[in-house]
Amino acid sequence: NAGVTQTPKFQVLKTGQSMTLQCAQDMNHNSMYWYRQDPGMGLRLIYYSASEGTTDKGEVPNGYNVSRLNKREFSLRLESAAPSQTSVYFCASHRGESTQYFGPGTRLTVL
Amino acid sequence: AQSVSQHNHHVILSEAASLELGCNYSYGGTVNLFWYVQYPGQHLQLLLKYFSGDPLVKGIKGFEAEFIKSKFSFNLRKPSVQWSDTAEYFCAVPSGGGNKLTFGTGTQLKVEL
Repeated sequence: NAGVTQTPKFQVLKTGQSMTLQCAQDMNHNSMYWYRQDPGMGLRLIYYSASEGTTDKGEVPNGYNVSRLNKREFSLRLESAAPSQTSVYFCASHRGESTQYFGPGTRLTVL
Repeated sequence: AQSVSQHNHHVILSEAASLELGCNYSYGGTVNLFWYVQYPGQHLQLLLKYFSGDPLVKGIKGFEAEFIKSKFSFNLRKPSVQWSDTAEYFCAVPSGGGNKLTFGTGTQLKVEL
């Protein structure tokens, strides 16, 4: 039981490049989430998926797209990366009673 | 939607000192509250949670938090901190449905030997 896994762990992009962050959970959870973490701002929700086949915008969705590929996988795509998207990205899944279980994070730098 | 505020952004303590980190939520009614911890270079882990019942909640590693409805507060406490408690601490509250959480801005705790 690996919990929530994320790939890659680190990534450096140039402005305008695209990439997809992958997230998978093996706990049979329905809901999954993508957050970004920036110093002094806590975690902010980018997108979430309440169940397979549904996705919804969070607090800071601009510049991102998501795909809930199946119950296990929830990917986050940056179509045209900008320096403002330099951040640490966390995926999480819902563990019950609103408790969320987090992945190890992806540290993204956009030059 | 509910929100939480954490007023202590950086806290530095010596080992064995007592800790109290503030967390205030935005409005009353039924409220669930969480504290998460992020150790350096690691992901967030649940420290403790409050849903109902006893307002004093015990968590892992000797942490506790007290829900005070009259003060809209859910402060995190530990009687004697250790160097290994150096981490960032986040208060969180469910908001907006879909089992979403809204997090506070976090408190960086540094414990010095």
